[in-house]
Amino acid sequence: NAGVTQTPKFRILKIGQSMTLQCTQDMNHNYMYWYRQDPGMGLKLIYYSVGAGITDKGEVPNGYNVSRSTTEDFPLRLELAAPSQTSVYFCASSYHRGTNTGELFFGEGSRLTVL
Amino acid sequence: GENVEQHPSTLSVQEGDSAVIKCTYSDSASNYFPWYKQELGKRPQLIIDIRSNVGEKKDQRIAVTLNKTAKHFSLHITETQPEDSAVYFCAASRRQGGKLIFGQGTELSVKP
Repeated sequence: NAGVTQTPKFRILKIGQSMTLQCTQDMNHNYMYWYRQDPGMGLKLIYYSVGAGITDKGEVPNGYNVSRSTTEDFPLRLELAAPSQTSVYFCASSYHRGTNTGELFFGEGSRLTVL
Repeated sequence: GENVEQHPSTLSVQEGDSAVIKCTYSDSASNYFPWYKQELGKRPQLIIDIRSNVGEKKDQRIAVTLNKTAKHFSLHITETQPEDSAVYFCAASRRQGGKLIFGQGTELSVKP
């Protein structure tokens, strides 16, 4: 298994541009997440999904959109990029069944710079 | 909304000493509390977790304690080694919510 795969690993955007961060997992996990990590600020939840066709906002959803058309894929869309979106983005997935809360498996991260 | 506070933000110890990191949470419905370790330039990885029906859990040199009444939980690392140097994150979520909220992180430095 490749686990959680994110692309691209690095990207520089100009203010106002748009882009999509891709995330795919091959572990048949039902839950998927997008976090952003700013220096010294920990991991902030942007959006998460509990299954195909279902998404929900996290702590910092403004300026982002997601979709979950399949179990495997959970792309994150940035519209009208702003310098405040400069960060490292982590996609993660986990398996939940009943009351069992599973371990999050993270991708390698995508470093985005908005200039 | 949900919030997880973590202290200290940085911690420096001598090799062989113990390290303690503390977290408090605001959502009284939280009942799952994992700890993740992130080495420099790497992705976070789970090191230990605890559920609300347990007060303490140990795994070799690491242990986690939970006080649901006070809404705080702690990570204890004994006999620290240089390879324990990393950023540690606590987190909390509800039983079936799936929404895992992280603390701000603690940068642990173990000096040889």
